Amino acid sequence: RKEVEQDPGPFNVPEGATVAFNCTYSNSASQSFFWYRQDCRKEPKLLMSVYSSGNEDGRFTAQLNRASQYISLLIRDSKLSDSATYLCVVNRGSGGGADGLTFGKGTHLIIQP
Amino acid sequence: EAGVAQSPRYKIIEKRQSVAFWCNPISGHATLYWYQQILGQGPKLLIQFQNNGVVDDSQLPKDRFSAERLKGVDSTLKIQPAKLEDSAVYLCASSTVNSPLHFGNGTRLTVT
Repeated sequence: RKEVEQDPGPFNVPEGATVAFNCTYSNSASQSFFWYRQDCRKEPKLLMSVYSSGNEDGRFTAQLNRASQYISLLIRDSKLSDSATYLCVVNRGSGGGADGLTFGKGTHLIIQP
Repeated sequence: EAGVAQSPRYKIIEKRQSVAFWCNPISGHATLYWYQQILGQGPKLLIQFQNNGVVDDSQLPKDRFSAERLKGVDSTLKIQPAKLEDSAVYLCASSTVNSPLHFGNGTRLTVT
């Protein structure tokens, strides 16, 4: 099983719709989880951290399911500007911060007008 | 706050040639990372420095790749000799205690 697995897509979604991605991870000892966004030919940027209790930032909601070892990202009322690749990122160890991060291959999202 | 600076932005070389990339992290960030991102893949960590010491280079192909951060600030990553499969974007990132990664724009390497 790969350390971090994501459906590469692409997900073609009409503007205004709700879209959700899942990501599974293999290391049960992982403690830190993140979603990064990467625009075409740009560097990845942190979208949001994923906490055990789940967290919400505007139209974006992230959830963690430790029992099933997956994290999710929900985007409501999608905008054309949400078109990007969304990278699931998991810490390989039990520490926090940016050490030991493993990136998934990313899920490509295309919002259509 | 100035971001992570990388140069060059693009580089095209022939296989078996050598190439070097440069990175200047965000001021005050003690930790510096080099990632390789092949088209269609997520970034893969090559090497992590804490100040001028290596913390993790387990995924660095040491027969051809080398990196240094002599004064604990700037860093260079070298490939010698390059192979076709080294074609990728090389991303430098920096962080400080419990902070997320801040990536530079990357260097896009094409090996022909």
